[in-house]
Amino acid sequence: EVQLVESGGGLVQPGGSLRLSCAASGFTFSSYEMNWVRQAPGKGLEWVSYISSSGSTIYYADSVKGRFTISRDNAKNSLYLQMNSLRAEDTAVYYCARDRSSGGSCEADYWGQGTLVTVSS
Amino acid sequence: QSALTQPASVSGSPGQSITISCTGTSSDVGGYNYVSWYQQHPGKAPKLMIYEVSNRPSGVSNRFSGSKSGNTASLTISGLQAEDEADYYCSSYTSSSTLGVFGGGTKLTVL
Repeated sequence: EVQLVESGGGLVQPGGSLRLSCAASGFTFSSYEMNWVRQAPGKGLEWVSYISSSGSTIYYADSVKGRFTISRDNAKNSLYLQMNSLRAEDTAVYYCARDRSSGGSCEADYWGQGTLVTVSS
Repeated sequence: QSALTQPASVSGSPGQSITISCTGTSSDVGGYNYVSWYQQHPGKAPKLMIYEVSNRPSGVSNRFSGSKSGNTASLTISGLQAEDEADYYCSSYTSSSTLGVFGGGTKLTVL
């Protein structure tokens, strides 16, 4: 059974940092491209970042470029999102999501349960 | 402002059919067949319902179908059931640097 479990969310002050993790199981993690998607309270979904299976190709939403860093450790079946210079508008539930096919289709077939990040003083 | 445009809400009675539209541009919906639809119940993670415009993942009811014409994609749900009441989001691959874009979401109410 495919499972994605996010952790690392919490309350952080504006300007602070947080590192999210996503533990994957039930599939060959190293063969799949992965994404972070977020959802602000009461709002819609937003693609945040994408990383290829090898980690060689990375994309970011303009709203987080230069502040967030996506990475993965295929030996540990884990995906990460380092978030720096956090702003109030980064407050959201952050989902880890598996890309359905190779080539960066942006079609996520499995999602984690999400982890809440709250940026507030 | 979301990159893809969806109606804020739609409604229908049990047994009826409804269609949700998703309008983009030639740089996303119109230019690629990587259009997907997600169902999200309150407090839950999104669930993939349609991928590559019209394909259903294993386990998704055949009451759900997808199509595309030009820059507009559509999700049709036939034989509405109470459990279909949820938010629905479309998504598309895009040639812009963000890689993927979502619609603003449509709240489906089953009357």
